[in-house]
Amino acid sequence: DPKIIQKPKYLVAVTGSEKILICEQYLGHNAMYWYRQSAKKPLEFMFSYSYQKLMDNQTASSRFQPQSSKKNHLDLQITALKPDDSATYFCASSQQGDSYEQYFGPGTRLTVL
Amino acid sequence: QEKVQQSPESLIVPEGAMSSLNCTFSNSASQSIWWYQQHPGKGPEALISIFSNGNKKEGRLTVYLNRASLHVSLHIRDSQPSDSAVYLCAFASSGSWQLIFGSGTQLTVMP
Repeated sequence: DPKIIQKPKYLVAVTGSEKILICEQYLGHNAMYWYRQSAKKPLEFMFSYSYQKLMDNQTASSRFQPQSSKKNHLDLQITALKPDDSATYFCASSQQGDSYEQYFGPGTRLTVL
Repeated sequence: QEKVQQSPESLIVPEGAMSSLNCTFSNSASQSIWWYQQHPGKGPEALISIFSNGNKKEGRLTVYLNRASLHVSLHIRDSQPSDSAVYLCAFASSGSWQLIFGSGTQLTVMP
């Protein structure tokens, strides 16, 4: 059974619209993360959460808002979508701390037209 | 800005050969260095990590870390076609839980 579920797998949106990317993890981890992988760019850290509290935010734009309704959920709301937001968004989770392996989900591939 | 540089960008080896991948990171205070494997359309999967200077062996994988030169390498012995994937080097920045990734090395193992 998949341990980290991301929905949807593919998403197409129009410029200016708003979308929510869903992430649930069933590994019992307390820390969750969002990363973004654009074409020809390294995997890029966006947010980290621990016990549903924001720990680190490396996203310059307020258009990206993580939402944690439960300990094992960390959704990503993106507003006023732009073509440059087109990327694959990965959710990850780990035990707390910087020494623990981060487990990645399968990703949501977002295309903004 | 903290960075990770990986080389080569792509590597083609015959089945059974040793594959050697390199990574240079910018932060000597990084806590841990990780190697991830990523197949097309999938999320990265951790292969091996190292925290201290020296080497670490797990199965066909050996990783060498030299903090003084900010260099880490991954060696895959007896490479198999199933090892074909993108290999990502990452370090966990000290005091932060974020992983900083390199651009990856595309490894192709020819049968």
